[in-house]
Amino acid sequence: NAGVMQNPRHLVRRRGQEARLRCSPMKGHSHVYWYRQLPEEGLKFMVYLQKENIIDESGMPKERFSAEFPKEGPSILRIQQVVRGDSAAYFCASSPQTVETQYFGPGTRLLVL
Amino acid sequence: AQSVTQLGSHVSVSEGALVLLRCNYSSSVPPYLFWYVQYPNQGLQLLLKYTSAATLVKGINGFEAEFKKSETSFHLTKPSAHMSDAAEYFCAVSSTGNQFYFGTGTSLTVIP
Repeated sequence: NAGVMQNPRHLVRRRGQEARLRCSPMKGHSHVYWYRQLPEEGLKFMVYLQKENIIDESGMPKERFSAEFPKEGPSILRIQQVVRGDSAAYFCASSPQTVETQYFGPGTRLLVL
Repeated sequence: AQSVTQLGSHVSVSEGALVLLRCNYSSSVPPYLFWYVQYPNQGLQLLLKYTSAATLVKGINGFEAEFKKSETSFHLTKPSAHMSDAAEYFCAVSSTGNQFYFGTGTSLTVIP
C-alpha cells in the first residue's frame, strides 16, 4: 500500500506565477489535510477536505490560496500570484476517518524567487 | 481551543543516554495526542499516539510517552539514544480530528 504521495517534491516559481501542489492520499483514505511549514517552525493547519467538499478552511489565507479534492484524481493546493513569503514546505496528510492518525506525505518545497 | 508547547527547541544527549522531550498541551476536551518524527527533507512519521486508552503509550524505535492529565503533559522518552534518533520531533494535539495542532518542534542531537 503506497503512502501519501506528493508532487512535485520541489517547485521553483517567480513572483506572480501560480503554484499547483498535488497530493494523492493513501488508498482507502477519504480525508485530506494540508499543512504549511515555515523554516524553524512547526506545521500550521491550512485546510481539511473530503471528496468534493471543503470541511474546514480556517487556516487558509483569505486570498490567493485555494484547495480542492475532486471525485477523481489528487487533491490540489493552488497558490496564485505567489510572493516570497509563500516559500515553505507544504505537507499533505490523509486519514481514513476523522480523529484518526494522519499519515503525511514527503512534502513539496516551494521556493519563490 | 487547543495548543501544544514543546519546551526546548534543541536537545542534545550522548549516545546511550536517556532521551526526554517535553510536550505540554492545552485542550478544552479530552485530547488525542501524537508524537511525530521528521528526518531532514522528509515528511512526518508517526512515532506513537494516545487515544484515551492506556496512559503509557509505546511507539516505534523504542520510544514511549506517558499521558498525565493532571500535568497536561505528554513527554516522549527513550531509555538509550542511538545516533539514528537524531531528527526533529513534533508533538501534536487533536480533538475534533479536523486539524492537528503542532508544537514548534524539538531538534534532537545525539553526541557520539
